[in-house]
Amino acid sequence: DAKTTQPNSMESNEEEPVHLPCNHSTISGTDYIHWYRQLPSQGPEYVIHGLTSNVNNRMASLAIAEDRKSSTLILHRATLRDAAVYYCILKGGANNLFFGTGTRLTVIP
Amino acid sequence: DAGITQSPRHKVTETGTPVTLRCHQTENHRYMYWYRQDPGHGLRLIHYSYGVKDTDKGEVSDGYSVSRSKTEDFLLTLESATSSQTSVYFCAITPTGGTDTQYFGPGTRLTVL
Repeated sequence: DAKTTQPNSMESNEEEPVHLPCNHSTISGTDYIHWYRQLPSQGPEYVIHGLTSNVNNRMASLAIAEDRKSSTLILHRATLRDAAVYYCILKGGANNLFFGTGTRLTVIP
Repeated sequence: DAGITQSPRHKVTETGTPVTLRCHQTENHRYMYWYRQDPGHGLRLIHYSYGVKDTDKGEVSDGYSVSRSKTEDFLLTLESATSSQTSVYFCAITPTGGTDTQYFGPGTRLTVL
């Protein structure tokens, strides 16, 4: 599976939108872009995924660049419970998910 | 909640002893996975299973074996634990008929002294 690049850490103020970037310049045409997050002392939690079009669900939105070489996870209104490590993962044909080191999001009250 | 439980949740053992971790799911999902998580490495796949008695290795399988004799249980065994296997172990499943998303258990913290 192709690799992704994310900032190590980001901060956001509570109740403000958060844009978490991910670069994946070697993405293949069949790779899906998945986002997971891991709250402290818990297992990873699925957030959202997409292939080409932007996606929305109750947790977040995923904006995918037209060339698919980057994507952005958008939390519309950060809460303290959103403080976590966010992982951007490319999922092709393999069964496993390749977790990098992710972005640690700190939400400031 | 995908009905995944892991046992034990915490374990301390000594080098050279055998250890078995259990992952149990209640919804007959076909795919199950074992990952380990260490500081600075994210999660890494140890082994996975795609059915009863069907298993395959992941990227860090050395020193580990697995078994799946029934759909609901996926066992991870450290035949002779070493200090380098001190880690947090997560089990995951992919829902049958789902979209390749994975759902994770709560984890087992293993310390090998």
